[in-house]
Amino acid sequence: AQTVTQSQPEMSVQEAETVTLSCTYDTSESNYYLFWYKQPPSRQMILVIRQEAYKQQNATENRFSVNFQKAAKSFSLKISDSQLGDTAMYFCAFMNFGQGGSEKLVFGKGTKLTVNP
Amino acid sequence: SAVISQKPSRDICQRGTSLTIQCQVDSQVTMMFWYRQQPGQSLTLIATANQGSEATYESGFVIDKFPISRPNLTFSTLTVSNMSPEDSSIYLCRTARGTEAFFGQGTRLTVV
Repeated sequence: AQTVTQSQPEMSVQEAETVTLSCTYDTSESNYYLFWYKQPPSRQMILVIRQEAYKQQNATENRFSVNFQKAAKSFSLKISDSQLGDTAMYFCAFMNFGQGGSEKLVFGKGTKLTVNP
Repeated sequence: SAVISQKPSRDICQRGTSLTIQCQVDSQVTMMFWYRQQPGQSLTLIATANQGSEATYESGFVIDKFPISRPNLTFSTLTVSNMSPEDSSIYLCRTARGTEAFFGQGTRLTVV
């Protein structure tokens, strides 16, 4: 079974600074996808960024980028120029299509990020 | 994309009663997933619902406690039955198109 581990329950960063959230995963699959989701107090799950395992190039979305190390099964999220609106829970998630396209998402326990003014 | 409307957004219920949560999708989707998120915790998959077949439940979750309906490709309900305070959580529905996931807004349930 796939597992996703986020080792940082809480982190804080000053506004405009850079912060990196860690995520490791375990799988025997070769074809999979990795995601970072943001959940603000509104409870809405918001996709931040995704990475296809077959792509070597790290995904970027504006101030958000990932460091995807496939051999090490590591998928960290870097947030540059942190903004107050980035304060939220961040979940790392794994999805594979190895079993009939079940589209199951496996989530890590989350990292609570606080951006301080 | 797909937009999911989840209702109710929150409720306070008496123990021993049941609550049905609805998710309406603005387009047809194959599968609906239901999650529980206990306070300060991650999302735990309860079950996967395919239209026209019985839902598939994850370990630790049973149909008698969490019956699910999926009458068509745009609608699903999750019922939390015979509630106890331990059922106080956020419940979310999710669907997907390929690798893109779409979430409902969540239902915050408090059982007193």
